Amino acid sequence: EVQLLESGGHLVQPGESLRLSCAASGFTFNNFAMSWVRQAPGKGLEWVSGISESGQKTYYADFVRGRFTISRDNSKNTLYLQMNSLRAEDRAIYYCAKVVSGSHLTPDVWGQGTLVTVSS
Amino acid sequence: SDELTQPPSVSVSPGQSARITCSGDAMSKKYSYWYQQKSGQAPVLVIYEDNKRPSGIPERFSASISGTMATLTISGAQVEDEADYYCYSTDSSGNRWGLFGGGTKLTVL
Repeated sequence: EVQLLESGGHLVQPGESLRLSCAASGFTFNNFAMSWVRQAPGKGLEWVSGISESGQKTYYADFVRGRFTISRDNSKNTLYLQMNSLRAEDRAIYYCAKVVSGSHLTPDVWGQGTLVTVSS
Repeated sequence: SDELTQPPSVSVSPGQSARITCSGDAMSKKYSYWYQQKSGQAPVLVIYEDNKRPSGIPERFSASISGTMATLTISGAQVEDEADYYCYSTDSSGNRWGLFGGGTKLTVL
């Protein structure tokens, strides 16, 4: 069974940094691209970032490009999202997702998410 | 336009068919996908590559594409189908790799 467990979310002040982690199990991690998707409280889903199987190719939504960095450690079956220069509007539940096989970055199975709060 | 537009809400009685639409240029260029999100839970993929159902998704879930509009149909909707539904596609033009529709709240009562 595919399992994804996000961690690292908590309350930070505007301008601060945070690193999210996503521990994967139940599938061959280095065979799948991965994505991060977020959801602000009471709002819809927003695709944030994606990374290729090897980690060599990364992709970002315009609203995080230059501030967030996605990476992965295939030896640890773990996905990361380094979030810098956080803004109030980055407040959201952040989900990691295994990508649909054969698709580019389309989320398939999702974790339960980790909450990031940005407030002074 | 690379936006995906969904109606904010759809309401049906149990046993009726529920139809949720998603319109946008991306629908005619790339595969469409649909997610179900029940209150307080993570989203679940219910349709992939326009009209395919992942294993474990009931047969009452189906989808179709016509031009720039995708339609998710729940035939004989049940109370447990009440949820938010999101369409999704990708549009590589303009670096918009992942596009979600705004979501549709399905009420079954």
